Amino acid sequence: DQQVKQNSPSLSVQEGRISILNCDYTNSMFDYFLWYKKYPAEGPTFLISISSIKDKNEDGRFTVFLNKSAKHLSLHIVPSQPGDSAVYFCAASSGGYQKVTFGIGTKLQVIP
Amino acid sequence: DSGVTQTPKHLITATGQRVTLRCSPRSGDLSVYWYQQSLDQGLQFLIQYYNGEERAKGNILERFSAQQFPDLHSELNLSSLELGDSALYFCASSYSGSEGYYGYTFGSGTRLTVV
Repeated sequence: DQQVKQNSPSLSVQEGRISILNCDYTNSMFDYFLWYKKYPAEGPTFLISISSIKDKNEDGRFTVFLNKSAKHLSLHIVPSQPGDSAVYFCAASSGGYQKVTFGIGTKLQVIP
Repeated sequence: DSGVTQTPKHLITATGQRVTLRCSPRSGDLSVYWYQQSLDQGLQFLIQYYNGEERAKGNILERFSAQQFPDLHSELNLSSLELGDSALYFCASSYSGSEGYYGYTFGSGTRLTVV
């Protein structure tokens, strides 16, 4: 049972444009959502998170939006840069001490 | 360098064998997590240790076991290996184990290939 779903395995975007990565979840108990970025031959690195009490969190070029009623979140990257090319994992947890459940990732390619 | 060290980086072994993967957490972190990433799969949670004790268990096979030692390093033991065990195994650490809110720090992984 995949509780965190990333239905787009890959995405290509022109440099300078907006990248939108989507994620759906099924577990209503999730109350914290995270995005990780992973470069080849490296481990995932934490990018940005959002609590279920918010619907938006922004950090520089990265913004995460949460729609609780639709059980959907998205990561917006504006403007996209070639260095953003990586695999992006959506993740969720239910309570700070609970394990984090990851999606399968979306590979973003930013074309110069 | 994330501060989480995993060894070895690559491991090739035959079916039926046993291997041990090692993880040294970031300095000061008490909690260690093990994740498995197979082809076209997300990061599957295996097990979590906090200050030497098992805290949470995920989809870890009975052929797999782990422990965390007094110096806080952790080992993941995989036995009776099968071809399907070929995967990237990641270790992550956090200070208190409550970082479902703030994210973990991951190591660069061990790529296990079973032939």
